[in-house]
Amino acid sequence: NAGVTQTPKFRVLKTGQSMTLLCAQDMNHEYMYWYRQDPGMGLRLIHYSVGEGTTAKGEVPDGYNVSRLKKQNFLLGLESAAPSQTSVYFCASRLGPIGHYGYTFGSGTRLTVV
Amino acid sequence: EDKVVQSPLSLVVHEGDTVTLNCSYEVTNFRSLLWYKQEKKAPTFLFMLTSSGIEKKSGRLSSILDKKELSSILNITATQTGDSAIYLCAARPNAGGTSYGKLTFGQGTILTVHP
Repeated sequence: NAGVTQTPKFRVLKTGQSMTLLCAQDMNHEYMYWYRQDPGMGLRLIHYSVGEGTTAKGEVPDGYNVSRLKKQNFLLGLESAAPSQTSVYFCASRLGPIGHYGYTFGSGTRLTVV
Repeated sequence: EDKVVQSPLSLVVHEGDTVTLNCSYEVTNFRSLLWYKQEKKAPTFLFMLTSSGIEKKSGRLSSILDKKELSSILNITATQTGDSAIYLCAARPNAGGTSYGKLTFGQGTILTVHP
């Protein structure tokens, strides 16, 4: 099993450009999450989804949009990138409301906005 | 608003030392406290603690939860250079309602172990 796969792994954007980060999981997990990680701030939740066709805002949703058209994929979009969005982005998934072993994480996407 | 705070934020030790990492939490409907180790890429799961006072152990790592003090510690004995990493703790609320299993993470402790 591939687990959780994030693409791309690295990206440099110019301010104002747009891009989409893809997260794909092959574990039939219901819940999926997008986090960003900045130095000294841990992981902060951007958006999450509790099933196909559903999305919800997390702690830091501004400047991002998401979609979950298929159960296995969770897309994170930046419509107009800003330098403040320079960060490492992690996708994670878990089976559903029960089960207690936290998340399965992807390997991250390092995004730099110049 | 749920909050998790870790201390220290960074720690530098020599091989063989013992370290204690701290995590305190303020979480509505708290269920569990999780510890992760993050090296170059994704965090990897270490422990999940639900019951107070019961130590979980894996090799040289151990962890315990104190629900009265709303805190947890992670101990690493006889540290090795391979223990160098960011250690993250995260609090998980009860399932159901609007929590949807969301984890609230602390800032992380950067541990550096020198030979």
